[in-house]
Order: sequence, then C-alpha cells, then structure tokens
Amino acid sequence: DQQVKQNSPSLSVQEGRISILNCDYTNSMFDYFLWYKKYPAEGPTFLISISSIKDKNEDGRFTVFLNKSAKHLSLHIVPSQPGDSAVYFCAAMNTGTASKLTFGTGTRLQVTL
Amino acid sequence: DGGITQSPKYLFRKEGQNVTLSCEQNLNHDAMYWYRQDPGQGLRLIYYSQIVNDFQKGDIAEGYSVSREKKESFPLTVTSAQKNPTAFYLCASRIAGGGSYNEQFFGPGTRLTVL
Repeated sequence: DQQVKQNSPSLSVQEGRISILNCDYTNSMFDYFLWYKKYPAEGPTFLISISSIKDKNEDGRFTVFLNKSAKHLSLHIVPSQPGDSAVYFCAAMNTGTASKLTFGTGTRLQVTL
Repeated sequence: DGGITQSPKYLFRKEGQNVTLSCEQNLNHDAMYWYRQDPGQGLRLIYYSQIVNDFQKGDIAEGYSVSREKKESFPLTVTSAQKNPTAFYLCASRIAGGGSYNEQFFGPGTRLTVL
C-alpha cells in the first residue's frame, strides 16, 4: 500500500526553465511534508518542507505547493540549473507519530543545457 | 563539523553471516532512524529510536536488530534471517520535540552486498 506516490519516475527539463515535480498521498493523517534531493550513492539532503496549515512555502528557487483537498503537493524549481539533476523524494509524516517519514519512490530530474 | 557518519561505505558479506552497520551522530539529536533503499523504490523504515535504551520496529524490521546504548550511536545488525539483505542502508537523525524540527538529516549511507 503506497501511501505516498510519485507517478513520474523521470523528468527532463531545459536549463533556465521551470521543473515541476508532483507527489500524491492517500493518508489523511499526514500533516507535514518534505522534499529531499538525492545523488547516487549518497544520503538524501533536506530541501524544503510544508505544514498542512499552509498551502505554499518558498525558499529561494524552490517552492512547494500543497493542495490538501486533492492530497497533492508539488515542488517547483525556477530557474532549473544543471546542478539540480538528482532524484527527488517526497516524504510525508503525521507529526503525532514519532516523526516517522513515509517516502515516495522518487523522481529523477535531469536538467539539460 | 557536526554530522552523521556511517561506516563502512561498502560492505560485503557472505550468505548466512550477521553484519553490523555503524551510525554515529554528533548533532546532539534525540531520535535516530534506519532506512533501506532498493532500486526504483523509496526509503523504507527499518527501526527507529526516540531516546536512549528505547527503540521501535519500523515497516520492515524482520531480520534486523538495533541497539541504542548511547545517544550518539545507533548500530544496525543485519542478521542471516533477512531474506534479501543486499541494499543501500541509510541512517538519519532528528531533534525530538516537533514544532519546526521535523526534518530528518541523513548520513552518507552504506552499500551492503551479500555474496
């Protein structure tokens, strides 16, 4: 039972354009969402997060949008840079349960020149 | 420099042998976690610990064991009972207490290969 889904395994975007990575969840108890970036053979690095009391959070080139009614969130990267090429994982948690994260399967982003 | 260290980076083991993966953090974080990643899959939680001398099973704990004798250390033992141990293992830690401190910080990982 995949509670967090990233339906696009890969995405290719030109440098300078917007990258939009999507994530859907099914568990209505999730109230905090995170995006991680991961390079091969390395640990994930935290990118940005959003609480369910918000619908948008912005940090530099990265913006996360949350649509609670649709149980959908998205990560926007503008402008995309070659160094953004990595696998992006969406994760969700219920802050009342020991902060256990449930991860999606990841989307591989390739930013081309 | 504060951070999470995992050793070794690559580990090979023969079938039927137990092996212990190390995870150490000097971030003074209370909670620690073990995940495994398989190709094409997300990270799955094996065990977690919110406080010294206490730990709980995650979603895929069978064939694994842990201990938390010190705040900074959370070793994971992959036993011979684990049916498919070849994977990339990741350790993470977090400040307990919630609020804005929900992010988990990850170590560099250990690639375990069973021969």
